Amino acid sequence: GAGVSQTPSNKVTEKGKYVELRCDPISGHTALYWYRQSLGQGPEFLIYFQGTGAADDSGLPNDRFFAVRPEGSVSTLKIQRTERGDSAVYLCASSPGTPGADTQYFGPGTRLTVL
Amino acid sequence: AQSVTQLDSHVSVSEGTPVLLRCNYSSSYSPSLFWYVQHPNKGLQLLLKYTSAATLVKGINGFEAEFKKSETSFHLTKPSAHMSDAAEYFCVVSDMAAGNKLTFGGGTRVLVKP
Repeated sequence: GAGVSQTPSNKVTEKGKYVELRCDPISGHTALYWYRQSLGQGPEFLIYFQGTGAADDSGLPNDRFFAVRPEGSVSTLKIQRTERGDSAVYLCASSPGTPGADTQYFGPGTRLTVL
Repeated sequence: AQSVTQLDSHVSVSEGTPVLLRCNYSSSYSPSLFWYVQHPNKGLQLLLKYTSAATLVKGINGFEAEFKKSETSFHLTKPSAHMSDAAEYFCVVSDMAAGNKLTFGGGTRVLVKP
């Protein structure tokens, strides 16, 4: 079956611009996660959705970052006034969201470069 | 708060020899633990998962990991390395009290020499 997909695969933008990154989870998965992986580091948690609501956004670095999941499926991560330090690979993962089924399946990521 | 420490940032092995990747974790309760692999320019792939059913966990591609609660360790091993095992490996702990969000170790990059 289809896995988690993310678009675009690469995004180059200029400092100060607005960007949107999209994630399509595995069909039927109610839990969706965003992580950020900086060069040479492990991924770091940003935000978690259960259904349509953001259950935990404690990993968002500041108020320039925002994410939505309006219909409980596709999610969009939005970054305002981008800075060079936002350059990283943004990873999306989904899981069934049921007790005991906590394995997360990752998409290929979006590589964001802020010039 | 949970944390994961991967004790080696780089490991170099010869093809056909054993691989050992070391991981220690910190968790306030019985954790779910994972190993993921990331090949260059590819997504994260689950190797194996521990969820308290058995302390020795077998994964894909001949990898296995042993959970040792007394040592708070979850080391990953493979008896015989293959060239295709060259990749970055992440030890990961799941926070069940916070929607299963994952905390990753810093990663271990494996180089396999012919």
